[in-house]
Amino acid sequence: DIQMTQSPSSVSASVGDSVTLTCRASQAISSWVAWYQQKPGKAPKLLIYAASILQTGVPSRFSGTGSGTDFTFTISSVQPEDFATYYCQQVHSVPNIFGQGTRLDIK
Amino acid sequence: QVQLVQSGAEVRKPGASVKISCKASGYTFNDYIIHWVRQAPGERPVWMGWIDAAKGNTKYSQNFQGRVTISRDRSATTAYMELNSLKSADTAVYYCAREGTVTREFDYWGQGTLLTVSS
Repeated sequence: DIQMTQSPSSVSASVGDSVTLTCRASQAISSWVAWYQQKPGKAPKLLIYAASILQTGVPSRFSGTGSGTDFTFTISSVQPEDFATYYCQQVHSVPNIFGQGTRLDIK
Repeated sequence: QVQLVQSGAEVRKPGASVKISCKASGYTFNDYIIHWVRQAPGERPVWMGWIDAAKGNTKYSQNFQGRVTISRDRSATTAYMELNSLKSADTAVYYCAREGTVTREFDYWGQGTLLTVSS
């Protein structure tokens, strides 16, 4: 199984800050990574796919980069509605494992 | 618009079975794969398996092999996930999700179904 190690597990930020999360795959997976946002009591919401492609309708302050084993997700200017938990997921092969998640809190 | 609407919350006793439905609309059902994912409280989502809506082919996680069955009814554009021999550790929210056709991301999700397993 291809594991995804996500860090940090939590981060505190103020509105307007830039935040970067990372995910490392246990083996090379090209660009087969997606990033999701999840708010309490809601289903995950797709933000980024193929490591760097912004899902339709998602604000451009969200971005993703990476290929191989190392991937990053950035929010360039955190907004109040961005406080949530974020997950990476490898979609290279089943089982499609998710990272441990990063909780973004208000500082 | 694409929608996946799941059946309501369930309560079961240990050892029982449950079958959760996922009604798809707003797209051609046969053109996509449907995945099932579960999430225990405070935990990351865990992939359970998928079904090819057109062919009916399935693939399951080893963690659930033998206990989970995913099926679909093409005429009803509905996918199902049945989990047997329930344990308290199966208490979680269960989601269905549609897979994007080329890049495999889970682009649309159901609202989730809470399963509580308790004696």
